[in-house]
Amino acid sequence: AQKVTQAQTEISVVEKEDVTLDCVYETRDTTYYLFWYKQPPSGELVFLIRRNSFDEQNEISGRYSWNFQKSTSSFNFTITASQVVDSAVYFCALSEAQGGSEKLVFGKGTKLTVNP
Amino acid sequence: DVKVTQSSRYLVKRTGEKVFLECVQDMDHENMFWYRQDPGLGLRLIYFSYDVKMKEKGDIPEGYSVSREKKERFSLILESASTNQTSMYLCASRENFGTSVSYEQYFGPGTRLTVT
Repeated sequence: AQKVTQAQTEISVVEKEDVTLDCVYETRDTTYYLFWYKQPPSGELVFLIRRNSFDEQNEISGRYSWNFQKSTSSFNFTITASQVVDSAVYFCALSEAQGGSEKLVFGKGTKLTVNP
Repeated sequence: DVKVTQSSRYLVKRTGEKVFLECVQDMDHENMFWYRQDPGLGLRLIYFSYDVKMKEKGDIPEGYSVSREKKERFSLILESASTNQTSMYLCASRENFGTSVSYEQYFGPGTRLTVT
């Protein structure tokens, strides 16, 4: 069965610090997709990135970067030079290509607080 | 930009009432989803719909039903609201599963339902 684990429940940093959010997943499929979403205090989940299982290239988008390692089943998210506006709950999620039930399985989320 | 809207941000209902939560998307997406989000439990899938008049049970369908009469609208119905259905309800839409499960889901702002 699919499973996504975000071991860090809450993280608190001071502005301008770098912070890494961990995500470990379990799947028996060889083709799958990983996602990160951001949920600010307003409540709406905002899509950040999608990565398929065949593409292990790391990705950078501004201050955000993602490290995908199949060998450790991890898809970690790093925010460089954090800002107060980064404060939110971040969710990692997994979707399998062959799964008959068609589900996006979410981790329980990591609450990030960036203090000024 | 994809736009997913939900009929109410906050809703208070009494035990036993029939409750309708409405979700509308403007991107002509075939797939739509209803989740509930609870502290410590993350996001759990209630129902999803591949297309008009099609529906599939998710992980926690008990006490809920859905309706999809038009492509852009997906309704969640609580037949007889109970206090354990107090939660945040999130709707999402996505391009057609038939082509790929890699597409991201786009979420609405959520409805915080309180059942007293």
